[in-house]
Amino acid sequence: DAKTTQPNSMESNEEEPVHLPCNHSTISGTDYIHWYRQLPSQGPEYVIHGLTSNVNNRMASLAIAEDRKSSTLILHRATLRDAAVYYCILRKQGGSEKLVFGKGTKLTVNP
Amino acid sequence: GAVVSQHPSRVICKSGTSVKIECRSLDFQATTMFWYRQFPKQSLMLMATSNEGSKATYEQGVEKDKFLINHASLTLSTLTVTSAHPEDSSFYICSARRGAQDTQYFGPGTRLTVL
Repeated sequence: DAKTTQPNSMESNEEEPVHLPCNHSTISGTDYIHWYRQLPSQGPEYVIHGLTSNVNNRMASLAIAEDRKSSTLILHRATLRDAAVYYCILRKQGGSEKLVFGKGTKLTVNP
Repeated sequence: GAVVSQHPSRVICKSGTSVKIECRSLDFQATTMFWYRQFPKQSLMLMATSNEGSKATYEQGVEKDKFLINHASLTLSTLTVTSAHPEDSSFYICSARRGAQDTQYFGPGTRLTVL
């Protein structure tokens, strides 16, 4: 599975937008970009995923660079409940089936 | 939809005993389930992948005789930690998905403490 690089930690203020970056310079054409988050003492929660086009859902938006070597998860208005570790994971469709977690980005949201 | 539950949420046992953790997909049939382990302040480490009715596939370094996985039905997988020792104390998390193209849904985790 291709590797991703994320900052160890980020801070944000409540009700402000948050942009969480992820680099995946060795991404292949069949790799989907998945984002999960893990709140303290809980299992991971699916956030969003995409292939080439930007994606929006009720939780977040995913902006994918044109060359696909990086992506950004956007939380439009951070709340205290968004404090979590966010994982950016590449998953090949039709090939390797496992989700392999890196270290992720620990997001702190300040009131 | 797509809810995964785990039982128990927390378990404390004595060294040398065996502990069974259940993982259930509540509102869907899971052809594949995964077991992860997470130590404090670390990321999730995949232990094994199991397909319903088949033997589990273990990741390198995971002892299959110590961590017994059974995926007997499309809604239930169990992880048994045999002869548990303090170093097995960890947060065990399962996940499940319908098919190869599906999103993986995670359970809430089981905190195992071995005294």
